[in-house]
Amino acid sequence: EPEVTQTPSHQVTQMGQEVILRCVPISNHLYFYWYRQILGQKVEFLVSFYNNEISEKSEIFDDQFSVERPDGSNFTLKIRSTKLEDSAMYFCASNREGAQYEQYFGPGTRLTVT
Amino acid sequence: GQQLNQSPQSMFIQEGEDVSMNCTSSSIFNTWLWYKQEPGEGPVLLIALYKAGELTSNGRLTAQFGITRKDSFLNISASIPSDVGIYFCAGRDAGNNRKLIWGLGTSLAVNP
Repeated sequence: EPEVTQTPSHQVTQMGQEVILRCVPISNHLYFYWYRQILGQKVEFLVSFYNNEISEKSEIFDDQFSVERPDGSNFTLKIRSTKLEDSAMYFCASNREGAQYEQYFGPGTRLTVT
Repeated sequence: GQQLNQSPQSMFIQEGEDVSMNCTSSSIFNTWLWYKQEPGEGPVLLIALYKAGELTSNGRLTAQFGITRKDSFLNISASIPSDVGIYFCAGRDAGNNRKLIWGLGTSLAVNP
C-alpha cells in the first residue's frame, strides 16, 4: 500500500541553524501539508500546498519557514534559523483530488533544537 | 485559533469494554475525520464523514456526523489492547475550505 515517507526520522540541530525536512507524498496525490506536534500536544497545521503554491498557512508559518516541491516527488519544509521552540515532531501529509480531507500522514521527523 | 472540544481527555478501560468519545465545535462543519496516533508515529485516518447524520463503520469502530453539524462521535466496541493510542478528531469548518481544525485528542489505555 502506498505511503507517505519522511526523512530523516530524527534531526538534531543547534539554535540558529537551517534545517530541511523532506517528504515524499503518495505518488498520485496533489495536495500536500506540513503539520507539527509538540510533545504531548495536539497536531498543529502549518501549511498546505497545491499546484506548486501555498494555498493556506497558519500563524505559526512565519518568514522563517518555507516549502518547496523541487521535483515531481519531494516536498520539503525549510526552517531558516531554528529556535528552541521549533523542537517538535513534523508531519507531512497528502491527499488525492476528490478526497481533499482524507489526509494520509507520514511517520514524522523529530526535530530537536539545542 | 479555532479549536475543537474533544472529550474525554483520557480513558482507562478493561479489555472487552466499549468506548465512546466525542468532539464538538462552536461552528458548523462540513467534514469530520477521526484519526488514531500511536507513539512515535503519524496519525492514521480511521473514518471520514461528509454528511450530517452519516454513520460509518470501520471494523469495531463506528463514527457519526452529528445532526447539528457541530459534533461527531466515535465508538469502539469490544476494545482490545492494540486499541491503545491517542484518538484525534479533525474537522473542516464550513466557512474555511482548506484547513482542518484538530481536537486535543483522547488518550486511550486498555488493561488486558
